[in-house]
Amino acid sequence: QVQLVESGGGVVQPGGSLRLSCAASGFAFPYYGIHWVRQAPGKGLEWVSYIHVDENNKYYTTSVKGRFSISRDNSKNTVFLQMNSLGAEDTAVYYCTKDHHWSFEDWGQGTLVTVSS
Amino acid sequence: QSALTQPPSASGSPGQSVTISCTGTSSDIGGYNHVSWYQQHPGKAPKLMIYEVTERPSGVPDRFSGFKSGNTASLTVSGLQAEDEADYFCCSFGGRDNWVFGGGTKLTVL
Repeated sequence: QVQLVESGGGVVQPGGSLRLSCAASGFAFPYYGIHWVRQAPGKGLEWVSYIHVDENNKYYTTSVKGRFSISRDNSKNTVFLQMNSLGAEDTAVYYCTKDHHWSFEDWGQGTLVTVSS
Repeated sequence: QSALTQPPSASGSPGQSVTISCTGTSSDIGGYNHVSWYQQHPGKAPKLMIYEVTERPSGVPDRFSGFKSGNTASLTVSGLQAEDEADYFCCSFGGRDNWVFGGGTKLTVL
């Protein structure tokens, strides 16, 4: 069965950096785009970033452009989200999710990122 | 990109039907048939219920159906069951390589 396992979350000071990982299994990883979606505590869902099957196509929501960078390693079935210049507004649970016809078909359990001094 | 507009709450009794609306613009819902709906129970990851406006992933009961007219999409849950009580989020591809979510609707089964 499809599994997506996020890791790398934690507590970081404002202005700091974190690198999230999403390890995938149970499907033909190289043939699927992967998204990151986040959810601030008690709030709704927010799409963050997407990487296509080839690394030439990467997209970001406006608020993270220039600060976040998505990448993938198809040999390790893993997607990464490098997050720099973090602020309180980035505090959220970050989910990785598999693309399916412009929707988010399978989700990981999420990893919590807390930006606080 | 502004968030899509959903009512904050909806409710119905077991066996009844309830419809949740999701209003966007011609730049998102009205411009693409890439509308999806997600169910989220407390403390759990979201689950895809509807994609491409009307399509159901395998395993999703046919009590869940989607529709779109103009800039507004809707999710109907028929034959309400206790386990349908959850938060529901709509989402649309917004062009310019961007996806936008609604604020979420809390569905209560009375």
